[in-house]
Formats: sequence, C-alpha cells, structure tokens
Amino acid sequence: ILNVEQSPQSLHVQEGDSTNFTCSFPSSNFYALHWYRWETAKSPEALFVMTLNGDEKKKGRISATLNTKEGYSYLYIKGSQPEDSATYLCAYYNQGGKLIFGQGTELSVKP
Amino acid sequence: EAQVTQNPRYLITVTGKKLTVTCSQNMNHEYMSWYRQDPGLGLRQIYYSMNVEVTDKGDVPEGYKVSRKEKRNFPLILESPSPNQTSLYFCASTFYAGSTDTQYFGPGTRLTVL
Repeated sequence: ILNVEQSPQSLHVQEGDSTNFTCSFPSSNFYALHWYRWETAKSPEALFVMTLNGDEKKKGRISATLNTKEGYSYLYIKGSQPEDSATYLCAYYNQGGKLIFGQGTELSVKP
Repeated sequence: EAQVTQNPRYLITVTGKKLTVTCSQNMNHEYMSWYRQDPGLGLRQIYYSMNVEVTDKGDVPEGYKVSRKEKRNFPLILESPSPNQTSLYFCASTFYAGSTDTQYFGPGTRLTVL
C-alpha cells in the first residue's frame, strides 16, 4: 500500500489567522493530486485537482501548490473563518488508476 | 442535477444477514468506487470499477463484493456482515480512471452490524 500522509492531524486556529498544511505522497508514478474539503455529516467536496509540478491553484482564500519531484503539496487558507472548519483530505492518483487518500487534517477555526 | 445517490443512508442489521447498498450516478462516469471511513483511518478504498463488467480490489476488499452490470450502478454487497464492517461508506464516481476531474461522492451510508 502506498502511503499518503497529511500533517498536522488537527489544527486549531483563531478567526483571521492564516494557516497551511501538508500532504506527502510517493513521487514515482505520479498522475494527479486531489484536495477535498469534508464537513461533518456531509460528503467530501472537491477543491483542486493538480497534475503538473509547480502547479498553483486558488479558490477564494484557499490555495494549493504542488511539488511532484519531492512528493508534497501544501494547502493554504488565508484569513481563516469559522466556516472553514472541516477536514481537508488529499488524495494521490497514480498511473495505475488507484486513488489513495491521506487521513486528513482536521481544522477548527474559533471565532 | 448531476449527482451520486446511495441507499439506504442508514442501516442497522445483524451479523450474517446479507445486505446490499446501492449506488447510482447520472453523469455517465466510467470510474466508480466504494470507500469506507473509520475514525483515525481516513478513507480506504474497498473496490473500484473502471467500466462496465470491470472491477478490481482496493485496499480493504475482504468481506465485500461488487458488480457493475450497467454504467450508472455499482452496488456494494455484504454477503455475511460482521461487526467489524460497521462503518461509514461512500460511493464515488469520476469520468475515467486517471481523469483530472475530481471524484463526486455520494451522501454516505452509515452501517451498524450488531
């Protein structure tokens, strides 16, 4: 089983703080890296799909970068809001068609 | 509306009583998969299907069966459920394996096996 690791496992920040977390994945046979946002009692929702080394994607206050050579991706949230509280999942897609999820980073933003 | 549907959403059953969780998508996706989510273990893939009549084991296939007779449906079958299969199950689909499109997830099925 290929490992996808996310850190930290959980994060508590104050409203207005900017934060970031990491997803590490195997650098071999890389095809794509997905980020999902998962709120309690809901299904995971897609944030980004990243395929190229050096890719940067942005959606509002959330952005992500990708380094396929060293096998990591960062997710940044600028000016966190309570509604950003969720678990953020990354998933690594290898060339064999397998999608492997990390355990997630649970973010809690206090007002 | 493009969506993935699962039924039932909640199920409490007893050990050994066969059950099926249905999954259907209306987006003409080729790739479908089943995941289970357990505390501290994240999402783990049970089975996936790259197209009709093509299914493959994921990371935790033991105790499960699937079938893909039609493109839109991908049922998960538990022939003889056991308590360690108590979990939250998600079905997901995407256009094709390796697609740069994201996966679309169903609403989840919470299964309890007594």
